[in-house]
Amino acid sequence: QVQLVESGGGVVQPGRSLRLSCAASGFTFSGSGMHWVRQGPGKGLEWVAVISYDGSNKYYADSVKGRFTISRDNSKNTLYLQMNSLRAEDTAVYYCATAGGGGYRSWFDPWGQGTLVTVSS
Amino acid sequence: EIVLTQSPGTLSLSPGERATLSCRASQSISSSFLAWYQQKPGQAPRLLIYGASSRATGIPDRFSGSGSGTDFALTISRLEPEDFAVYYCQQYGSAYSFGQGTKLEIK
Repeated sequence: QVQLVESGGGVVQPGRSLRLSCAASGFTFSGSGMHWVRQGPGKGLEWVAVISYDGSNKYYADSVKGRFTISRDNSKNTLYLQMNSLRAEDTAVYYCATAGGGGYRSWFDPWGQGTLVTVSS
Repeated sequence: EIVLTQSPGTLSLSPGERATLSCRASQSISSSFLAWYQQKPGQAPRLLIYGASSRATGIPDRFSGSGSGTDFALTISRLEPEDFAVYYCQQYGSAYSFGQGTKLEIK
């Protein structure tokens, strides 16, 4: 069945970097756009970034632009989020999600189970 | 940026009752590019509705979505115990944004 499994979360000091991974299986990963969405503790959902099926196009939320980089390796069915210059406000559970309809103008389905990133000194 | 405002913030109802959740957009959402998600504690969001009114695979028919332009609604016709959760609307017509959520709690 379709599965997304995030990894790479943990505790990191402000200003440091972290890379998240999302391993996909059960569907044609190379044919779908992919997203990262985050949820701060006790807060709502915030879209972070999207990447096209072939990695040629990427878009970011203003809150992470210039600090985070989304990428993918279709040969490994894996999505990445490189997070640099981390701030306390980046503390959240990070979810990867598939563009349900494949392209940009699409709902998010399915979602991974999430990985927790805590930025603290 | 399209801002989505959900109301009420919390809705207290009993099993068997009907629930209506509202989502209002700051500007018109093109082609009804609106989705609804359900999230239970400690779990990832689950897609319920896309395209404003299309049910996702496996979603019971007690869930229905309606609306267009700037005003949308999610209706749960008869609440089951497992329906008590937080619900989010999301637009994907102009970048992406989520509402702040409505918590549906047992009365």
